[in-house]
Amino acid sequence: GAGVSQTPSNKVTEKGKYVELRCDPISGHTALYWYRQSLGQGPEFLIYFQGTGAADDSGLPNDRFFAVRPEGSVSTLKIQRTERGDSAVYLCASSAGRNNEQFFGPGTRLTVL
Amino acid sequence: AQSVSQHNHHVILSEAASLELGCNYSYGGTVNLFWYVQYPGQHLQLLLKYFSGDPLVKGIKGFEAEFIKSKFSFNLRKPSVQWSDTAEYFCAVNAGGRDDKIIFGKGTRLHILP
Repeated sequence: GAGVSQTPSNKVTEKGKYVELRCDPISGHTALYWYRQSLGQGPEFLIYFQGTGAADDSGLPNDRFFAVRPEGSVSTLKIQRTERGDSAVYLCASSAGRNNEQFFGPGTRLTVL
Repeated sequence: AQSVSQHNHHVILSEAASLELGCNYSYGGTVNLFWYVQYPGQHLQLLLKYFSGDPLVKGIKGFEAEFIKSKFSFNLRKPSVQWSDTAEYFCAVNAGGRDDKIIFGKGTRLHILP
């Protein structure tokens, strides 16, 4: 079956612009996670959804970052006024719930010039 | 706060050599432990996990890891590596039963010489 998909695979933007990154989880998975991976680092947790609601957004670095999951399936990570330090690979994962394996997507590589 | 420390950033081995990648975590409560692998050009995928029970966990492709609670360690082992094991390996932890976010280590890049 289909895995987690993310679009776009690559996004290049200019400092100060707004970007949206999309995640399509595995069908039926109730939990969805966003992570960010900078060069030479492991993935860093950003936010976790259980259904439509954000169960834990403690990893969002500041209020320029926001994520939604309005129908409990697809999620969009939104970054306002992008900065060069936002450049990273943004990973999405989904799972069937607590204590179940998280399946990762291929990531979106964001480059802020 | 939870944290994960991986001892080696870059390991180079010849085929058939034995492998042990070190991992220590910092968290005082019950934990779930993971090793993830990322092969070149591919997604992160789960190699093995420990939630409870037998502290010696077997995963895919001949990998195993041992949870030693007293040492806060979860080292990854394989008795004989293959060229196809070339990848980046991440140790990770979450607060078992209470939290779903996974805290990852910085990763170990493993390069196997043919």
